[in-house]
Amino acid sequence: DTEVTQTPKHLVMGMTNKKSLKCEQHMGHRAMYWYKQKAKKPPELMFVYSYEKLSINESVPSRFSPECPNSSLLNLHLHALQPEDSALYLCASSPRQGALGTEAFFGQGTRLTVV
Amino acid sequence: DAKTTQPNSMESNEEEPVHLPCNHSTISGTDYIHWYRQLPSQGPEYVIHGLTSNVNNRMASLAIAEDRKSSTLILHRATLRDAAVYYCILRDVMDDMRFGAGTRLTVKP
Repeated sequence: DTEVTQTPKHLVMGMTNKKSLKCEQHMGHRAMYWYKQKAKKPPELMFVYSYEKLSINESVPSRFSPECPNSSLLNLHLHALQPEDSALYLCASSPRQGALGTEAFFGQGTRLTVV
Repeated sequence: DAKTTQPNSMESNEEEPVHLPCNHSTISGTDYIHWYRQLPSQGPEYVIHGLTSNVNNRMASLAIAEDRKSSTLILHRATLRDAAVYYCILRDVMDDMRFGAGTRLTVKP
């Protein structure tokens, strides 16, 4: 199983809502990543988890709250988002942070619309 | 400050080879060169990676300059399915997997 599964595929939420994005992998990978991608732009790194601990936070606003409850699961909790946060949110995993000679696997993303 | 520089777009004819360049003049000795591509409406997918030597796999070849300051992704026979944005990424010890702007490849029938 070489898949990274993201749910939901699409999400519409109001600015006062609380929602969560979920990412799951069963490859035994210990590094997991969240990216945000706006239309026609490259993915922007948000967070990196290594062995379930937050390793990199790219100064992301606190309305985005990541969580890594176990080695297979990565969540992104959303609260009080703005319309400009509408984007494709991508999750990725890699065997280990710093395992530079290995490939990373990406999910298909969650298309988020904030209204 | 971008770690990699790629042309914004390139065009190719179907069944012809494509050479996608990437400049990474500030590469360090431990940086791996990775290539990913993103097809429309999909997440990025791994293509190939290398450190110093040229690499081949079933998808593509990677040619790395002797000084490692540039590399070229080679698609030997482009198909319509290869139309995508191709990203050249340096994976460093922080392993932050940052994407540059990429090259949008158009394949003409």
